[in-house]
Amino acid sequence: TQLLEQSPQFLSIQEGENLTVYCNSSSVFSSLQWYRQEPGEGPVLLVTVVTGGEVKKLKRLTFQFGDARKDSSLHITAAQPGDTGLYLCAGPGGATNKLIFGTGTLLAIQP
Amino acid sequence: GAGVSQSPSNKVTEKGKDVELRCDPISGHTALYWYRQSLGQGLEFLIYFQGNSAPDKSGLPSDRFSAERTGGSVSTLTIQRTQQEDSAVYLCASRVNWGDYGYTFGSGTRLTVV
Repeated sequence: TQLLEQSPQFLSIQEGENLTVYCNSSSVFSSLQWYRQEPGEGPVLLVTVVTGGEVKKLKRLTFQFGDARKDSSLHITAAQPGDTGLYLCAGPGGATNKLIFGTGTLLAIQP
Repeated sequence: GAGVSQSPSNKVTEKGKDVELRCDPISGHTALYWYRQSLGQGLEFLIYFQGNSAPDKSGLPSDRFSAERTGGSVSTLTIQRTQQEDSAVYLCASRVNWGDYGYTFGSGTRLTVV
Protein backbone atom coordinates (compact mmCIF):
# COMPACT_ATOMS: atom_id res chain seq x y z
CA THR A 1 0.00 0.00 0.00
CA GLN A 2 1.36 3.38 -1.00
CA LEU A 3 1.22 5.92 1.81
CA LEU A 4 2.22 9.57 1.94
CA GLU A 5 3.12 10.94 5.36
CA GLN A 6 3.28 14.69 5.86
CA SER A 7 5.05 16.59 8.58
CA PRO A 8 4.38 18.56 10.56
CA GLN A 9 0.67 17.93 10.98
CA PHE A 10 0.12 21.45 12.23
CA LEU A 11 2.24 24.58 12.04
CA SER A 12 1.50 28.03 13.43
CA ILE A 13 4.02 30.76 12.69
CA GLN A 14 4.25 34.53 12.52
CA GLU A 15 3.93 36.49 9.32
CA GLY A 16 7.29 36.92 7.61
CA GLU A 17 8.81 33.66 8.84
CA ASN A 18 9.97 30.84 6.59
CA LEU A 19 8.72 27.25 6.80
CA THR A 20 9.09 23.85 5.20
CA VAL A 21 6.51 21.09 4.90
CA TYR A 22 7.57 17.54 4.12
CA CYS A 23 5.88 14.70 2.26
CA ASN A 24 7.47 11.26 2.59
CA SER A 25 6.82 7.77 1.35
CA SER A 26 8.56 4.41 1.22
CA SER A 27 7.22 4.00 -2.33
CA VAL A 28 8.39 5.55 -5.58
CA PHE A 29 5.94 7.88 -7.28
CA SER A 30 5.99 8.80 -10.97
CA SER A 31 4.96 12.33 -9.97
CA LEU A 32 3.75 14.27 -6.96
CA GLN A 33 1.32 17.13 -6.69
CA TRP A 34 0.74 19.74 -4.01
CA TYR A 35 -2.69 21.17 -3.24
CA ARG A 36 -3.89 23.90 -0.89
CA GLN A 37 -7.32 23.74 0.65
CA GLU A 38 -9.13 26.61 2.35
CA PRO A 39 -12.09 26.11 4.72
CA GLY A 40 -15.29 25.19 2.91
CA GLU A 41 -13.57 24.66 -0.39
CA GLY A 42 -12.05 21.78 -2.30
CA PRO A 43 -8.27 21.44 -2.70
CA VAL A 44 -6.68 23.56 -5.43
CA LEU A 45 -3.67 22.32 -7.37
CA LEU A 46 -0.48 24.32 -6.78
CA VAL A 47 2.15 22.34 -8.69
CA THR A 48 3.08 18.99 -10.22
CA VAL A 49 6.66 17.68 -10.03
CA VAL A 50 7.63 14.78 -12.26
CA THR A 51 11.44 14.48 -12.40
CA GLY A 52 13.63 13.32 -9.52
CA GLY A 53 15.51 16.32 -8.13
CA GLU A 54 13.18 18.78 -9.80
CA VAL A 55 12.67 22.18 -8.19
CA LYS A 56 9.73 24.41 -9.08
CA LYS A 57 9.03 27.90 -7.82
CA LEU A 58 5.68 29.58 -7.55
CA LYS A 59 6.26 33.11 -6.24
CA ARG A 60 7.28 32.59 -2.57
CA LEU A 61 6.67 28.82 -2.71
CA THR A 62 9.46 26.41 -3.67
CA PHE A 63 8.66 22.76 -4.35
CA GLN A 64 11.25 20.00 -4.57
CA PHE A 65 10.92 16.37 -5.65
CA GLY A 66 13.44 14.01 -4.09
CA ASP A 67 16.08 12.38 -6.26
CA ALA A 68 14.58 8.95 -5.60
CA ARG A 69 11.02 10.24 -6.18
CA LYS A 70 9.90 9.06 -2.75
CA ASP A 71 9.61 12.44 -1.09
CA SER A 72 8.86 16.09 -1.68
CA SER A 73 9.05 19.34 0.20
CA LEU A 74 7.29 22.69 0.10
CA HIS A 75 9.18 25.73 1.35
CA ILE A 76 7.43 29.04 1.90
CA THR A 77 9.51 32.19 2.20
CA ALA A 78 8.20 35.16 4.17
CA ALA A 79 4.83 33.58 4.95
CA GLN A 80 1.73 35.73 4.60
CA PRO A 81 -1.69 35.31 6.29
CA GLY A 82 -3.06 34.39 2.83
CA ASP A 83 -0.88 31.26 2.91
CA THR A 84 -3.05 29.85 5.69
CA GLY A 85 -4.72 26.58 4.77
CA LEU A 86 -4.41 22.81 4.60
CA TYR A 87 -1.54 21.68 2.38
CA LEU A 88 -1.83 18.24 0.81
CA CYS A 89 0.63 16.27 -1.25
CA ALA A 90 -0.69 13.60 -3.60
CA GLY A 91 0.66 11.01 -5.99
CA PRO A 92 -0.81 8.50 -8.44
CA GLY A 93 -1.15 4.98 -7.17
CA GLY A 94 -2.98 1.74 -7.51
CA ALA A 95 -4.04 -0.03 -10.65
CA THR A 96 -5.99 2.95 -11.95
CA ASN A 97 -3.45 5.63 -10.97
CA LYS A 98 -5.98 7.42 -8.80
CA LEU A 99 -4.44 10.09 -6.57
CA ILE A 100 -3.37 9.02 -3.09
CA PHE A 101 -3.37 11.99 -0.75
CA GLY A 102 -1.03 12.68 2.12
CA THR A 103 -2.11 13.16 5.71
CA GLY A 104 -2.10 16.95 5.36
CA THR A 105 -0.37 19.89 7.03
CA LEU A 106 -2.55 22.59 8.55
CA LEU A 107 -0.74 25.90 8.32
CA ALA A 108 -1.76 29.01 10.26
CA ILE A 109 0.03 32.29 9.67
CA GLN A 110 -0.48 34.85 12.42
CA PRO A 111 -0.40 38.53 11.37
CA GLY B 1 -19.78 24.55 -16.55
CA ALA B 2 -16.69 26.46 -15.51
CA GLY B 3 -16.01 24.33 -12.48
CA VAL B 4 -17.08 21.18 -10.67
CA SER B 5 -20.47 21.69 -9.05
CA GLN B 6 -21.67 19.70 -6.05
CA SER B 7 -25.05 19.69 -4.39
CA PRO B 8 -26.25 20.04 -1.77
CA SER B 9 -23.47 21.99 -0.07
CA ASN B 10 -24.72 20.85 3.32
CA LYS B 11 -26.89 17.92 4.31
CA VAL B 12 -28.12 16.96 7.76
CA THR B 13 -29.83 13.60 7.94
CA GLU B 14 -31.09 11.25 10.59
CA LYS B 15 -29.29 8.00 11.24
CA GLY B 16 -30.73 5.24 9.09
CA LYS B 17 -31.93 7.49 6.27
CA ASP B 18 -30.59 7.30 2.71
CA VAL B 19 -28.86 10.29 1.09
CA GLU B 20 -27.87 11.20 -2.45
CA LEU B 21 -25.01 13.53 -3.25
CA ARG B 22 -24.64 15.01 -6.72
CA CYS B 23 -21.59 16.00 -8.75
CA ASP B 24 -21.60 17.85 -12.06
CA PRO B 25 -18.06 17.70 -13.49
CA ILE B 26 -16.34 20.02 -15.92
CA SER B 27 -17.56 19.45 -19.45
CA GLY B 28 -15.13 17.29 -21.39
CA HIS B 29 -13.45 15.80 -18.33
CA THR B 30 -13.65 12.06 -18.77
CA ALA B 31 -12.39 11.09 -15.32
CA LEU B 32 -14.49 11.64 -12.17
CA TYR B 33 -13.53 10.85 -8.58
CA TRP B 34 -15.26 10.82 -5.22
CA TYR B 35 -13.26 11.33 -2.03
CA ARG B 36 -14.23 11.64 1.62
CA GLN B 37 -12.55 13.99 4.08
CA SER B 38 -12.97 13.90 7.81
CA LEU B 39 -12.37 17.07 9.83
CA GLY B 40 -8.94 18.52 9.05
CA GLN B 41 -7.72 15.25 7.57
CA GLY B 42 -6.42 14.05 4.25
CA LEU B 43 -8.63 12.69 1.52
CA GLU B 44 -9.86 9.10 1.42
CA PHE B 45 -10.51 7.71 -2.06
CA LEU B 46 -13.98 6.25 -2.63
CA ILE B 47 -14.63 5.60 -6.33
CA TYR B 48 -13.32 6.51 -9.79
CA PHE B 49 -15.13 6.66 -13.14
CA GLN B 50 -13.28 6.78 -16.45
CA GLY B 51 -15.30 7.00 -19.64
CA ASN B 52 -17.18 3.79 -20.33
CA SER B 53 -14.79 1.62 -18.33
CA ALA B 54 -15.92 -0.27 -15.25
CA PRO B 55 -15.53 2.04 -12.24
CA ASP B 56 -12.80 1.51 -9.65
CA LYS B 57 -14.88 0.91 -6.51
CA SER B 58 -11.97 -0.22 -4.36
CA GLY B 59 -12.35 2.65 -1.88
CA LEU B 60 -16.02 2.25 -1.00
CA PRO B 61 -16.07 1.52 2.77
CA SER B 62 -19.15 -0.73 2.76
CA ASP B 63 -21.98 -1.98 0.59
CA ARG B 64 -24.11 0.89 1.90
CA PHE B 65 -22.16 3.13 -0.48
CA SER B 66 -22.77 3.15 -4.22
CA ALA B 67 -22.28 5.58 -7.08
CA GLU B 68 -23.24 5.93 -10.66
CA ARG B 69 -22.33 8.21 -13.51
CA THR B 70 -24.97 8.76 -16.14
CA GLY B 71 -24.11 9.61 -19.72
CA GLY B 72 -20.47 10.12 -18.84
CA SER B 73 -21.33 13.33 -17.03
CA VAL B 74 -23.26 13.81 -13.78
CA SER B 75 -22.50 11.43 -10.93
CA THR B 76 -24.54 10.54 -7.86
CA LEU B 77 -23.08 9.06 -4.67
CA THR B 78 -25.70 7.24 -2.60
CA ILE B 79 -25.30 6.27 1.04
CA GLN B 80 -27.97 3.93 2.38
CA ARG B 81 -28.92 3.57 6.03
CA THR B 82 -26.55 6.34 7.07
CA GLN B 83 -24.48 5.97 10.23
CA GLN B 84 -22.86 8.65 12.37
CA GLU B 85 -19.42 7.60 11.15
CA ASP B 86 -20.50 8.60 7.63
CA SER B 87 -20.39 12.25 8.71
CA ALA B 88 -17.70 13.93 6.61
CA VAL B 89 -17.17 16.22 3.64
CA TYR B 90 -17.67 14.38 0.38
CA LEU B 91 -15.57 15.84 -2.43
CA CYS B 92 -15.94 15.25 -6.13
CA ALA B 93 -13.20 15.95 -8.65
CA SER B 94 -12.86 15.69 -12.40
CA ARG B 95 -9.82 15.54 -14.65
CA VAL B 96 -8.85 15.29 -18.27
CA ASN B 97 -7.50 11.79 -18.82
CA TRP B 98 -4.14 12.74 -20.23
CA GLY B 99 -1.06 14.69 -19.25
CA ASP B 100 -0.11 15.72 -15.75
CA TYR B 101 -3.10 17.90 -15.09
CA GLY B 102 -4.32 17.80 -11.55
CA TYR B 103 -7.79 17.25 -10.30
CA THR B 104 -10.33 20.05 -10.22
CA PHE B 105 -12.39 19.70 -7.08
CA GLY B 106 -15.85 20.87 -6.22
CA SER B 107 -16.50 22.61 -2.91
CA GLY B 108 -17.88 19.43 -1.41
CA THR B 109 -21.00 18.32 0.43
CA ARG B 110 -20.79 18.44 4.21
CA LEU B 111 -22.81 15.49 5.48
CA THR B 112 -23.87 15.36 9.11
CA VAL B 113 -25.66 12.28 10.40
CA VAL B 114 -27.51 12.89 13.68
